[in-house]
Amino acid sequence: KNEVEQSPQNLTAQEGEFITINCSYSVGISALHWLQQHPGGGIVSLFMLSSGKKKHGRLIATINIQEKHSSLHITASHPRDSAVYICAVKGKNTDKLIFGTGTRLQVFP
Amino acid sequence: NAGVTQTPKFRILKIGQSMTLQCTQDMNHNYMYWYRQDPGMGLKLIYYSVGAGITDKGEVPNGYNVSRSTTEDFPLRLELAAPSQTSVYFCASSYVNEQYFGPGTRLTVT
Repeated sequence: KNEVEQSPQNLTAQEGEFITINCSYSVGISALHWLQQHPGGGIVSLFMLSSGKKKHGRLIATINIQEKHSSLHITASHPRDSAVYICAVKGKNTDKLIFGTGTRLQVFP
Repeated sequence: NAGVTQTPKFRILKIGQSMTLQCTQDMNHNYMYWYRQDPGMGLKLIYYSVGAGITDKGEVPNGYNVSRSTTEDFPLRLELAAPSQTSVYFCASSYVNEQYFGPGTRLTVT
């Protein structure tokens, strides 16, 4: 079993829909990252969380440390949100990240 | 700031050839990383460095070497390319907990 699991693996949505992507992890962490990767493109950091909730525009990320779970929400989704969303955790006492396999999101007009 | 830059963007190698993937960052970050990304898999750490002159192995170091003579540069060397090294390679640097990724190098070994 992977230390970082994401669900779903693939997600399609109509423009305007509310999107939720989930990330569960099995190790103690100091931080959790949500990253975005566009097709053929580089990787951009969206959020870094150690507790609670963060919001940036239409994106909201939450984390529940006790349940070892994080969610990434996209409100009013748009075709330009189509990308792979990657969850990564930084374990305690380490400088290294452990990555999930990503969730591929396609938003259709 | 250019951030993290990688060269080349694409490369095709024959089995047994060698090459160096270049990575440079201009943010004065101490921590730098090399990852590979295979289809359907999460990024895997190849090597990382916590500062000039210090490097350490990640999860998948076999077939690769690194050096870190300056804070800015962290090249990744493939000595004897094998088809299993066909992948997309990302370099990253970090400050505190934030990671910054380069645009990637797509390498094919045939």
